Parts: sequence; structure tokens; C-alpha cells
Amino acid sequence: NAGVTQTPKFQVLKTGQSMTLQCAQDMNHEYMSWYRQDPGMGLRLIHYSVGAGITDQGEVPNGYNVSRSTTEDFPLRLLSAAPSQTSVYFCASSLVGAWTGELFFGEGSRLTVL
Amino acid sequence: SQKIEQNSEALNIQEGKTATLTCNYTNYSPAYLQWYRQDPGRGPVFLLLIRENEKEKRKERLKVTFDTTLKQSLFHITASQPADSATYLCALVLNYGGATNKLIFGTGTLLAVQP
Repeated sequence: NAGVTQTPKFQVLKTGQSMTLQCAQDMNHEYMSWYRQDPGMGLRLIHYSVGAGITDQGEVPNGYNVSRSTTEDFPLRLLSAAPSQTSVYFCASSLVGAWTGELFFGEGSRLTVL
Repeated sequence: SQKIEQNSEALNIQEGKTATLTCNYTNYSPAYLQWYRQDPGRGPVFLLLIRENEKEKRKERLKVTFDTTLKQSLFHITASQPADSATYLCALVLNYGGATNKLIFGTGTLLAVQP
């Protein structure tokens, strides 16, 4: 099993450009989420989804959109990139309601906005 | 204010010794506490979970304690090896019911085990 797959691993954008970070999981997990990780700060939740067609905001949702059309995929869209969105982004998945279990993380996508 | 704190300075220890990492929190009432390992350029990997009513949990060379009175968790690695060098993250699981449970991560502590 591949687990959680994120693409691209690295991306450089100019301010104002848009892009989509892709996330796919093959574990049939209902819960998927996006985090950003910045130096000196813990992982912060951007958006999450508890199943196809259901999404909700996390702690830092501004500037990001998500959708969940299938169980497997959960793309993160940056509509108009800003330098403050320079970060490492992680997608994570888990079984819904199984909070005694673990989050499975992807390898991360490093985004630089110039 | 609500905070979750881990040692911001790197922890350097000699191979074979026990490493102890600390996770302190204030103004949270977590149902569970998790520990993750993160290697440079990689995503975090789950290690252990401990429930609020458990004092201690063990897995091979790993031991986690959870003191809800002190609002502290300790993470121990016994007989440490250079391969244990990584950043270790603690995460509080706040129980809002089912899928709306919330995970709050600490900033992590970098452990360096010297051969």
C-alpha cells in the first residue's frame, strides 16, 4: 500500500498565482486533513473532511479551499498565493471516530511563495 | 491562554542512555495524548497513544507517562541508538465527540543520540 501520497513535493509560486496540492490515500480512510508546519510552530490544521462531500475549516483556513469528491482524494487549493503561505504542507488521514488510533501523514509538500 | 509546550532546545544524549522528552500543556483537557516521530523532510509517524485514565504505556523501548494533574506527558526512549535521532511531537486529542475530535500538536523536540 502507498498510504498517503502528496504531490508535488516542491513548488515555487509567485505572489498571486494559484495552485493545487494533491493528496490521495489508499487506506479507505473517511477522515482526511491538511496541516501546515512552520518553524517554531506546531502543525496547524487548515481544513478537514470526514467523508466524501463533507468538508470543514480548521484553525487556519483563510486563503485555502478544499473539496472531497471521492474517499481517496482531498486536494488543497491556493486561490491567490501570498508569501505568508510559504510553508510545508502535510496531508493526513485516519479512520473516522477512531481517535484512539493514529493519523497517517504524507511526506509533505514544500511551498515557497515569492 | 491555551498552550502546549515541548523542549525547544535539542536534547543531546549518549548512545545507550535513556532519553526523556517532556510535553506540558495548559488550559486543555485532552482525552488522549499521542506521540509522533518526524525525520527531516518526512511526515510525522505515529508512535504511541495514552488515554487520560492511563498512567503509563510501553512499546518496546518506548515508554509514555501521562499525568493529568501536572498536565504533563513524559516520553522515554531506553537504550537509545543513533537511529532514534529525530524530532518527536506530542499531540493532544480533545474529545468533542466522534469525527469532530481535535488534535493539537506541540512544536516538537529534536533528539540527537551521539554514538
